[in-house]
Order: sequence, then C-alpha cells, then structure tokens
Amino acid sequence: DAGVIQSPRHEVTEMGQEVTLRCKPISGHNSLFWYRQTMMRGLELLIYFNNNVPIDDSGMPEDRFSAKMPNASFSTLKIQPSEPRDSAVYFCASSLSQGATYGYTFGSGTRLTVV
Amino acid sequence: KQEVTQIPAALSVPEGENLVLNCSFTDSAIYNLQWFRQDPGKGLTSLLLIQSSQREQTSGRLNASLDKSSGRSTLYIAASQPGDSATYLCAAASGGSYIPTFGRGTSLIVHP
Repeated sequence: DAGVIQSPRHEVTEMGQEVTLRCKPISGHNSLFWYRQTMMRGLELLIYFNNNVPIDDSGMPEDRFSAKMPNASFSTLKIQPSEPRDSAVYFCASSLSQGATYGYTFGSGTRLTVV
Repeated sequence: KQEVTQIPAALSVPEGENLVLNCSFTDSAIYNLQWFRQDPGKGLTSLLLIQSSQREQTSGRLNASLDKSSGRSTLYIAASQPGDSATYLCAAASGGSYIPTFGRGTSLIVHP
C-alpha cells in the first residue's frame, strides 16, 4: 500500500488567498484525521471523520477553515482567506475502525507558508 | 480532556547507551497508546502500538511499556545509534471517538 498520500508537499501563498490541502487515506481505512503541527503548540487535532462523516471539528480554529470528505478515498482541508498565522505543517492520518486495534498511519504532511 | 506530557523535552546521549523516554497521560481510560518517530521535516512513522489490555510491546531494540493505573508509558531504546536521532512522540487514544492526543515529543540526539 502507498500509505496516506498528501498533496502538495509544500505550499507558499500570499495572505488572503485560498489554500486547499488534499489527502488520500489508506484504502479500506474508515477514519480520517487532520492535524496541524507548530513549534508553539505541537500536534493539534483539527477535525476527525468516521465513514466520511465529520464527527469532531472542535479543533478547527475558525470559520476560515473547512474540511470535506466526499468519499472514502479523498479529503480536503481548505483555508479561505489564509493568514500568516496559519503557517504550519498539516498532517492527515487514517485508521481502521477508529484506530483502536491497529493504530494510526500518518501522511508526510503539507508544509504551508503564508506570506 | 486528555493531556499528554513527555519528559525530557530533549536528550543527548553517546552512542551505545540504553535510554528511556517517558510519556504520561491524565485520563487513564485509554484505548491504546502509540509511539511515533519524526525525523526533521518529515512525517510521523509508527514505532509501537500498545493496546489498553497489554503491558508492553517490543520491536527490535525498542520496547514500550504501559501502566494505565499510573498514567505512564515508557519507550526503552537499547544500544542507541546515531540513526536513532529524531523526535519521539507518544499519542494516547481516549474518549468515545478514539481520538489520539499527542505529547510535545522528546528530541533525541545520539552522537558517535
């Protein structure tokens, strides 16, 4: 299996622009997580999907952030408009049966820089 | 709300030493605890997963233990090598949605 695939690997954008991050989970996994990693706050959960349905979005910082999972093999995280404080590494992770038995597999992340 | 703490935040050791990384969590009602390795600028690689019913897991030179009653897990690395240099993170999955909560990590440097 190719693992969890995220794109792009790096994104540099200007403040105010829309940014879309993409994630393809491992085939057969039914839970998907979006995390953000910064030096100040470490890894923070943004949103969690189970069977394509958002279950917990309490970590989404504000209305500028939105996430979708239109099918079992694709998810997006969108920031509109982007701000410099959104600069971070964004990780997507997937798991089978909520990760209780087999744990969680992470993608390589998208490094976002907003200038 | 689950809180996960990792001590020490940074560790520098000479090659060949055995070492222990610590992870503590506030909510002992966890489903599992997972240890990850993160190399600079890279993603997270899973090292070991311990289910709540287990006491330890081993993979090669790595051994992870879990003591739910005391809210602690340790990662033991035997005969450390320079290639072990990385940040090690632990994540405790708890709550109704099994969401993993991460510690801030221990940055390990093994020098030749």
